[in-house]
Amino acid sequence: EAQVTQNPRYLITVTGKKLTVTCSQNMNHEYMSWYRQDPGLGLRQIYYSMNVEVTDKGDVPEGYKVSRKEKRNFPLILESPSPNQTSLYFCASTPSGFSEQFFGPGTRLTVL
Amino acid sequence: QKEVEQNSGPLSVPEGAIASLNCTYSDRGSQSFFWYRQYSGKSPELIMFIYSNGDKEDGRFTAQLNKASQYVSLLIRDSQPSDSATYLCAARSGGRLGGTSYGKLTFGQGTILTVHP
Repeated sequence: EAQVTQNPRYLITVTGKKLTVTCSQNMNHEYMSWYRQDPGLGLRQIYYSMNVEVTDKGDVPEGYKVSRKEKRNFPLILESPSPNQTSLYFCASTPSGFSEQFFGPGTRLTVL
Repeated sequence: QKEVEQNSGPLSVPEGAIASLNCTYSDRGSQSFFWYRQYSGKSPELIMFIYSNGDKEDGRFTAQLNKASQYVSLLIRDSQPSDSATYLCAARSGGRLGGTSYGKLTFGQGTILTVHP
């Protein structure tokens, strides 16, 4: 089944404790993105990647890191999480730069 | 700041009525437009996309695009309670970034639709 998977789906952590949210897609898509969704603000792009080893900042990259060492994986790293990073996170992939996004199931992160 | 704005909602319509969702965008370079539906706690799922001026119909859904007015809308005919969800409008820009073709996707804040029996 073609899909985007994320892990973990739910995470409660404390300020400053490094964490990684994994994202994997099995559709051989070139492009992958991370979004965060907050009430009243819609989906905002954190980082995107156009191919292996090619990444760039989105609208809200502060406090996040990403890497793309393999085409299928695009992990999101929070090296020192803070409470304002409490949010619902979505990973998405797309076959080309102009096609629809396929979203993962989301990761609900709470930083205490 | 390039933005996508949606009618604030929430929008409540009776079952069987037409629900009208509206969206404006500020980037004239936007080339394609997407409507996503998102149920509470779930990921967005694509309903329709449109890139030419005019109407595009798919079942009970009609997307309308007016590039001169920078306006996109989604009409849902014969609304059903199962249509109750948040609807997200998104605009994808055209052009190149760093030598690679990539259209950034910008989302509106979403409109909550409730269809009551």
